[in-house]
Amino acid sequence: GAVVSQHPSRVICKSGTSVKIECRSLDFQATTMFWYRQFPKQSLMLMATSNEGSKATYEQGVEKDKFLINHASLTLSTLTVTSAHPEDSSFYICSAPPMGYGYTFGSGTRLTVV
Amino acid sequence: GESVGLHLPTLSVQEGDNSIINCAYSNSASDYFIWYKQESGKGPQFIIDIRSNMDKRQGQRVTVLLNKTVKHLSLQIAATQPGDSAVYFCAVTFSGGYNKLIFGAGTRLAVHP
Repeated sequence: GAVVSQHPSRVICKSGTSVKIECRSLDFQATTMFWYRQFPKQSLMLMATSNEGSKATYEQGVEKDKFLINHASLTLSTLTVTSAHPEDSSFYICSAPPMGYGYTFGSGTRLTVV
Repeated sequence: GESVGLHLPTLSVQEGDNSIINCAYSNSASDYFIWYKQESGKGPQFIIDIRSNMDKRQGQRVTVLLNKTVKHLSLQIAATQPGDSAVYFCAVTFSGGYNKLIFGAGTRLAVHP
């Protein structure tokens, strides 16, 4: 089945620095990937849709300049949290559209900004 | 826009009992519905899905029921086991929604021995 690999699983960074999260489709090509953010004890909130070879589409209220999304190839989408602050600490998860059934999700990245 | 909600934030059941988790959605154009299980610190795990042209689908120990009239779906887990303890989310997508998957609030299922 479709496998999505997400790295790193955990990252701690200092306030003001940038962090890049990678999401790879291992056995299929993905022209679209979705990025979610999940705060503790809350649901997954869709942040943006990355599109291979074109600009990402951001959900209302998500800062484009803060959450940079790049989808440079059919197997890799990246999310960069720029100038991170403690309030950006969250669980970030990527997913790929249905390949047969369901959406395949990465294992998530726990970002802690100190 | 779409909103998806759940009736119960937590559900406690005894091991061996059946569990029912409910979900309501608002967009009548919703056409694909998925239940996910999420364990702490992990990504969502696919459980079962159903399309809008069906009203029931069964898997191994799980059944999803869809009532389009009242925009409601449920997940039934038979003979609930301790390993079923997790947070369960319903998620929906709809025609014209660019494949965006929208999640409900989640229900925590706690299975007691």
